[in-house]
Amino acid sequence: GAVVSQHPSWVICKSGTSVKIECRSLDFQATTMFWYRQFPKQSLMLMATSNEGSKATYEQGVEKDKFLINHASLTLSTLTVTSAHPEDSSFYICSAKDSYTGELFFGEGSRLTVL
Amino acid sequence: QQQVKQSPQSLIVQKGGISIINCAYENTAFDYFPWYQQFPGKGPALLIAIRPDVSEKKEGRFTISFNKSAKQFSLHIMDSQPGDSATYFCAASRGAGNMLTFGGGTRLMVKP
Repeated sequence: GAVVSQHPSWVICKSGTSVKIECRSLDFQATTMFWYRQFPKQSLMLMATSNEGSKATYEQGVEKDKFLINHASLTLSTLTVTSAHPEDSSFYICSAKDSYTGELFFGEGSRLTVL
Repeated sequence: QQQVKQSPQSLIVQKGGISIINCAYENTAFDYFPWYQQFPGKGPALLIAIRPDVSEKKEGRFTISFNKSAKQFSLHIMDSQPGDSATYFCAASRGAGNMLTFGGGTRLMVKP
C-alpha cells in the first residue's frame, strides 16, 4: 500500500527554538495533505489543510504564524513549529491524499517534546 | 462543537467476544465514514469504511453498521483477539479523501 513518511519520528527541543517536521508521500503524488495534532489519550484534531503551491488553510484557533506549513512539491509538506513552548509538545500526524485515486493515507506521526 | 461523538471511551472484552463501538454524527453533509485503528506511538490505520447508501459492510472480523436516519454508525469486531487491543477512532468527512472529523476514540483492551 501507499506509504506516507514523517520525519523525524520524534524530536526533543528547547523552549524558544523552531522545529520542522516533514511529511512525504513516497509512491504517489499528493496535492493535498492534512496536519493533525494529538495530545495524549485524546483524539486527532485537524490543524490545517495543506495544498501544493498555495497557502495552507488553518482551522479556527490554530495560529498560522506559529505553525508554518509549506507544501512546495507534490510529495512533500512541512510543518514548522516556531518558538516552541512546552504546551506545543504533542504528537503531530500528517495524512496525504492520493491525487489520482483520492485515497487518504496517514503517516506514522512525529512526537515533539519541548523542554 | 464536537461533530462526531464516540462511545464508550474504553472497553474491555474477553478474547473471542464481540467488541462494539458506537458513533453519532450531526452534520448531514458527511457521506463517508471510516474507522481507524491506532496503536501507541503510531499513526492511525484505516480499518474499514462505509458510505450512506449501504446499511452494513463487512470485512473479515470487522463490520460497520450504518443507520442514516438516526445518524449513527457502529463498529463490530467479532472474535476479538488480544492483538486487537488498540484505540479505535470513527471519523466522518464530506467525500472520501477529504478532511476528517474524528470521534473521541475508544481504548479497547481484549483480555486473553
